[in-house]
Amino acid sequence: AQSVTQLGSHVSVSEGALVLLRCNYSSSVPPYLFWYVQYPNQGLQLLLKYTSAATLVKGINGFEAEFKKSETSFHLTKPSAHMSDAAEYFCAVKQAGTALIFGKGTTLSVSS
Amino acid sequence: GAGVSQSPSNKVTEKGKDVELRCDPISGHTALYWYRQSLGQGLEFLIYFQGNSAPDKSGLPSDRFSAERTGGSVSTLTIQRTQQEDSAVYLCASSGDAGYGQETQYFGPGTRLLVL
Repeated sequence: AQSVTQLGSHVSVSEGALVLLRCNYSSSVPPYLFWYVQYPNQGLQLLLKYTSAATLVKGINGFEAEFKKSETSFHLTKPSAHMSDAAEYFCAVKQAGTALIFGKGTTLSVSS
Repeated sequence: GAGVSQSPSNKVTEKGKDVELRCDPISGHTALYWYRQSLGQGLEFLIYFQGNSAPDKSGLPSDRFSAERTGGSVSTLTIQRTQQEDSAVYLCASSGDAGYGQETQYFGPGTRLLVL
């Protein structure tokens, strides 16, 4: 069975600091991996996805994630946080033709 | 359409009433998914449609929940005899042919359901 673990339900950074949101997955076969962002009272917006091409994936708003098979990780990073990055972030895994399995989410707070 | 749309955006109902939630997927998307987001349970899968058939309905929490899709497009999620624990945000997503490399799901804004 697949599962996703997001370490840290809440991460706080200062504006301009590095953002690192952790995601580890469990899957018996190479999965598809996604990061979604959710702003208050809105739906989920796709940040980036890994679909077995390049292991370093670049997404929107300056975010990127690296797929590390040996560590079963897909951590999300951004070199310099902006106030507008404050939101909830979800890591998700799926196999072909199946639904997404989500982690419990990480709330990112950015202080000035 | 430009994106996935859902209606209503908010729904308040009394315990025991039936509710219908609607999802309009992105035009041409053959796969459609329903998820539920609640404080205690996070994001949970409910049901998946490929075309008009539902190969996976394993996430429906009880027989009070049902969903249909017609014309390979619009889907309706129905909750009968609503209970307070049904209060949540119901999210719909659509994608291209699941299983053929078009795995990215695009989400609607959700329907916020409150059962009093």
